[in-house]
Amino acid sequence: DAGITQSPRHKVTETGTPVTLRCHQTENHRYMYWYRQDPGHGLRLIHYSYGVKDTDKGEVSDGYSVSRSKTEDFLLTLESATSSQTSVYFCAISESIVGRSEQYFGPGTRLTVT
Amino acid sequence: AQKVTQAQTEISVVEKEDVTLDCVYETRDTTYYLFWYKQPPSGELVFLIRRNSFDEQNEISGRYSWNFQKSTSSFNFTITASQVVDSAVYFCALSFSQGGSEKLVFGKGTKLTVNP
Repeated sequence: DAGITQSPRHKVTETGTPVTLRCHQTENHRYMYWYRQDPGHGLRLIHYSYGVKDTDKGEVSDGYSVSRSKTEDFLLTLESATSSQTSVYFCAISESIVGRSEQYFGPGTRLTVT
Repeated sequence: AQKVTQAQTEISVVEKEDVTLDCVYETRDTTYYLFWYKQPPSGELVFLIRRNSFDEQNEISGRYSWNFQKSTSSFNFTITASQVVDSAVYFCALSFSQGGSEKLVFGKGTKLTVNP
């Protein structure tokens, strides 16, 4: 199994509070991704990173920001959580750009915003 | 626009039946990759296969097989002699180029239930 951990695994927070999710990898892969999974939507890309301090937006990036100061860590921040951000969040890594290598996923973080 | 359609939302079969999960994709790229992932009830996402657009050869891995047909833009997944452990949500995905980078778009998934 790819060495990917996510923390926390579960979190309940209140509307309007900031939340940070962490993804940590031990594979030294260059590319890292954050997805959210919602019923009826499959997985949707929030943000991704193609190197330290190099990030870009995905299809559902509004309300989220990311940072990557080290190869192994990719942080996702919800600046002011809303109920629509209740979801399961998955981090993924890949050795090369998507397509030329497969993405491996972390165990997921279940976030509930009340 | 890049898109993946998994028209079957849920499928239920009895153990030992063969089952095919459909995946139809849309893309303007000439080079692209297709994937299948499995998400068992425990929630993790497990990579099953990656296929590039130039390789239309079918692939078999144990009870799993994949049929890639560019003519119909399909990448279907067949499980032979299904087992209860095959119960999961299966996602098909397509890589595409956008703004100088490559991204992955997922279908909405097919939930497979294999009953004993």
